[in-house]
Amino acid sequence: QSVLTQPPSASGTPGQRVTISCSGSSSNIGRNTINWYQQLPGTAPKLLIYSDNHRPSGVPDRFSGSKSGTSTSLAISGLQSEDEADYYCAAWDDSLNGYVFGTGTKVTVL
Amino acid sequence: EVQLLESGGGLVQPGGSLRLSCAASGFIFSDYPMSWVRQAPGKGLEWVSGISDSGDDTYYADSAKGRFTISRDNSKNTLYLQMNSLRAEDTAVYYCAKEMWRGWSGAFDIWGQGTMVTVSS
Repeated sequence: QSVLTQPPSASGTPGQRVTISCSGSSSNIGRNTINWYQQLPGTAPKLLIYSDNHRPSGVPDRFSGSKSGTSTSLAISGLQSEDEADYYCAAWDDSLNGYVFGTGTKVTVL
Repeated sequence: EVQLLESGGGLVQPGGSLRLSCAASGFIFSDYPMSWVRQAPGKGLEWVSGISDSGDDTYYADSAKGRFTISRDNSKNTLYLQMNSLRAEDTAVYYCAKEMWRGWSGAFDIWGQGTMVTVSS
């Protein structure tokens, strides 16, 4: 059972803004940087956001990350059909001495 | 082209063993920590184990401690995961993943295509 909690689903119409939350604790989000991954159906995960709010080369600026205390969020602005995927937050957990992923959020474009 | 290619997956009986391999190319393998991440059918991602660039430091999820061993051969640009005492709940696609930086960040910028491990009698 993951220590990072995400809503199981989120949805929006094309062009809308969707936000996905990720809640953790002082041993993970509260102390360490956050990364976000996108997983399209049937494919390997892809790094979407690193170090809380940075985008790797090639990731559209429609994707943004933020963090406050022991919670973090991923925002997708100008939602597009190709954004339909599963999204996972992730962080190192000092108590577990290991890396933890969030429970995952399935984004549907209506 | 930067690439990771896993192999070694398959069907194994409960209690059995399997060794996964991950062949790296297109980057200086010995410069980067590496990890194994798995995904059970229809489930989310679970980090399994990580190893430093030199191989001197290793980390395991509680689910893997005492049963799995991560290792690497930098001369062969290959990452390994030895899995013993396998259980049905170990059934998953296993991905190898490369750290984005030369240190630990958990930002995995390159992933393999995955190899399926099925534990069943």
